Amino acid sequence: GESVGLHLPTLSVQEGDNSIINCAYSNSASDYFIWYKQESGKGPQFIIDIRSNMDKRQGQRVTVLLNKTVKHLSLQIAATQPGDSAVYFCAEMPGGYQKVTFGTGTKLQVIP
Amino acid sequence: NAGVTQTPKFRILKIGQSMTLQCAQDMNHNYMYWYRQDPGMGLKLIYYSVGAGITDKGEVPNGYNVSRSTTEDFPLRLELAAPSQTSVYFCASSPSGATYEQYFGPGTRLTVT
Repeated sequence: GESVGLHLPTLSVQEGDNSIINCAYSNSASDYFIWYKQESGKGPQFIIDIRSNMDKRQGQRVTVLLNKTVKHLSLQIAATQPGDSAVYFCAEMPGGYQKVTFGTGTKLQVIP
Repeated sequence: NAGVTQTPKFRILKIGQSMTLQCAQDMNHNYMYWYRQDPGMGLKLIYYSVGAGITDKGEVPNGYNVSRSTTEDFPLRLELAAPSQTSVYFCASSPSGATYEQYFGPGTRLTVT
């Protein structure tokens, strides 16, 4: 079936560097994408979202890029901090906005 | 606001036992969801609800049941627990409207032995 997946299971980044977390999706009908952060022992927390009619959206220290041509989503974190260490999930929502499909997740490790 | 609350935090069940995982939200959100997360994996949707009295199956509904008698509460029922249901269960809610950001509870860690 259609699914959302991530290229890298673990990403190690030096504190202060920028991080890029990638996500591939296969459902071309997906209309809305979300990035979540999950710290150990906690539920996922919303970071940023983007609709399919956009190719870039910026938040505080985070930027999401959407390339619909190759069905690719990325999350860029500027000046990565130790508090950014977590598992990051991308999620997609097809039209209807009721069902969310989560990817497997990428663990981000920040090296002090 | 307390947000999304879940009880219990931890539970150990024997095979064949039943239990109800409780979920409540005080944000007046119409949409509520139940997910399970197996170790090292992403979240899989079990059931969801778009409002009181309305529920629908997600990706992995077998072995579970839900009800939504009020806007606030969305309990998940496990009947005849099996080891395959060992997982962390997350409840989430979201407002209807232009944004579909989901707010998650802290999770219930369930072990079936």
